[in-house]
Amino acid sequence: GQQVMQIPQYQHVQEGEDFTTYCNSSTTLSNIQWYKQRPGGHPVFLIQLVKSGEVKKQKRLTFQFGEAKKNSSLHITATQTTDVGTYFCAPHTGTYKYIFGTGTRLKVLA
Amino acid sequence: DGGITQSPKYLFRKEGQNVTLSCEQNLNHDAMYWYRQDPGQGLRLIYYSQIVNDFQKGDIAEGYSVSREKKESFPLTVTSAQKNPTAFYLCASGRQGRVSDTQYFGPGTRLTVL
Repeated sequence: GQQVMQIPQYQHVQEGEDFTTYCNSSTTLSNIQWYKQRPGGHPVFLIQLVKSGEVKKQKRLTFQFGEAKKNSSLHITATQTTDVGTYFCAPHTGTYKYIFGTGTRLKVLA
Repeated sequence: DGGITQSPKYLFRKEGQNVTLSCEQNLNHDAMYWYRQDPGQGLRLIYYSQIVNDFQKGDIAEGYSVSREKKESFPLTVTSAQKNPTAFYLCASGRQGRVSDTQYFGPGTRLTVL
């Protein structure tokens, strides 16, 4: 079946440094969503990407969908302590269910 | 307030007992989902439902059961057949269960089986 890998699994950065997490799929995706889960909390929707090569920005966050629609990335510029949490990609499988990536846990050191 | 509620937040049970986790939404969403999250892991789909009185197995349905008698409710029963039930359980809903849906998550229930 479809597998989704996120790298890195963990990332510690100094406040102000940039951060990137990558999501790689074994199959071509119809779309991909990104979620953030704060420690002890529940996942919260960030964004959805649909088109090949699509790039979307939300303030310091930049999301990209690969040209082949098999990978995606989330880049945070100048991290802040409020960015702490686990970031999940969730590609849609083409049926009525989603597969969540393994997640990247971000720690920001003040 | 619109949203998804899950209760209780923490639940302790003895091994061999069935336990039912509650999930209610007032968002008027058609689709509802149950996920399991283990420490440091991603989310794995247990069951999902696109419409009342219909549901499908996800990737790890063994040892779990659900019902969808009302649009706003999707309870999950963890049976004694589930070998490792201790986990964080998350319920989610989506407007129509379509590709473009955003999933809205409840606060979760942490189940510990002693």
